Amino acid sequence: AQTVTQSQPEMSVQEAETVTLSCTYDTSENNYYLFWYKQPPSRQMILVIRQEAYKQQNATENRFSVNFQKAAKSFSLKISDSQLGDTAMYFCAFKPNDMRFGAGTRLTVKP
Amino acid sequence: DAGVTQSPTHLIKTRGQQVTLRCSPKSGHDTVSWYQQALGQGPQFIFQYYEEEERQRGNFPDRFSGHQFPNYSSELNVNALLLGDSALYLCASSLVTSGDQETQYFGPGTRLLVL
Repeated sequence: AQTVTQSQPEMSVQEAETVTLSCTYDTSENNYYLFWYKQPPSRQMILVIRQEAYKQQNATENRFSVNFQKAAKSFSLKISDSQLGDTAMYFCAFKPNDMRFGAGTRLTVKP
Repeated sequence: DAGVTQSPTHLIKTRGQQVTLRCSPKSGHDTVSWYQQALGQGPQFIFQYYEEEERQRGNFPDRFSGHQFPNYSSELNVNALLLGDSALYLCASSLVTSGDQETQYFGPGTRLLVL
């Protein structure tokens, strides 16, 4: 089965600090794409960052970066300089064929 | 640049009824995917439409059906509603011919409550 596991249901971080959200997945495919999406309380799902499995270089998007370990099937998200607006549900997803999502991590940024 | 839009925002139905949800993709996109997100869970893939055909389907019963129109907009139909169909239904669009075809952009969703 092709599954995504987010082992941290909830996390919190102080404003301006760094936090890392974990994600592991299971697949026998060699080519796939990985994503982190953010879903604020307003509920619209917003793309945070994406990574192609064939690229060894970790993706970076401003304060957001990933640590992609293909052999370990791990895809963690690091948020630097956390801001209050980062408070949201974060979903890890991967796409071998169709998109598979994890159960999400609720992140709260505290002032 | 118009993003993905969905209608209605909220809907209340009773068991056994039928419902139609609508989605307009992001401007320039040609592919629409539908997801069901139960409370407290991640989205689950229902199906994807491209060129007015169902391209992929997740593990959902035939009560869930869809359609894509020539202008790329899409409908999700659910027949014989069950209480368990209560969820947030998300639509996402992408562009097959782009170098970023794997990235999907989501709409705000339709909250369906089945009583």
